[in-house]
Amino acid sequence: GAGVSQTPSNKVTEKGKYVELRCDPISGHTALYWYRQSLGQGPEFLIYFQGTGAADDSGLPNDRFFAVRPEGSVSTLKIQRTERGDSAVYLCASSPDRGKNIQYFGAGTRLSVL
Amino acid sequence: AQTVTQSQPEMSVQEAETVTLSCTYDTSESDYYLFWYKQPPSRQMILVIRQEAYKQQNATENRFSVNFQKAAKSFSLKISDSQLGDAAMYFCAYRRQGGSEKLVFGKGTKLTVNP
Repeated sequence: GAGVSQTPSNKVTEKGKYVELRCDPISGHTALYWYRQSLGQGPEFLIYFQGTGAADDSGLPNDRFFAVRPEGSVSTLKIQRTERGDSAVYLCASSPDRGKNIQYFGAGTRLSVL
Repeated sequence: AQTVTQSQPEMSVQEAETVTLSCTYDTSESDYYLFWYKQPPSRQMILVIRQEAYKQQNATENRFSVNFQKAAKSFSLKISDSQLGDAAMYFCAYRRQGGSEKLVFGKGTKLTVNP
């Protein structure tokens, strides 16, 4: 695709439910990042994939959050037992590789936990 | 840990005028990159300009330029000839060289452009 695609654009769920957020990076990009942007804040790092493996998951807030990238392309961020505090915009970015390359962002998924 | 501070929650500028957005950061690293991203209401972060810490020359991109002061750990963005389409949230971001190269963002500055 032409850019990073994230689906759904908006997701409303109830407290305690499970959600999956999808990121389709730019074709050929090996590096993929997830960030969370709470209202009135800048994005905060969650996890970084290089290829299929999670090379840095130090930003995941707790074990309710998990992400996969099984074939080194599409990634899914999974949140179990959602809480109201999980409400935020979840942004995905991809990059051709590590180094000087720029991270290209998708438009994000706005998650609302009622 | 690295931190990025944007001390101006909101700024406004008249169309065609110049505005400067401030950013300071804290790091013990010597090799790193600094960025300004623009986020319109569509939510998609768009890169405005990038500066490599080892370069003394300030980066410029058309109407956008930076004032990079490495010793002072300051990285301000100047927008010249402001246009209505420049209205957005602007985020300053830091990225170290090596490791996961994750971006560390400030809280942002909301820029309003008045006609």
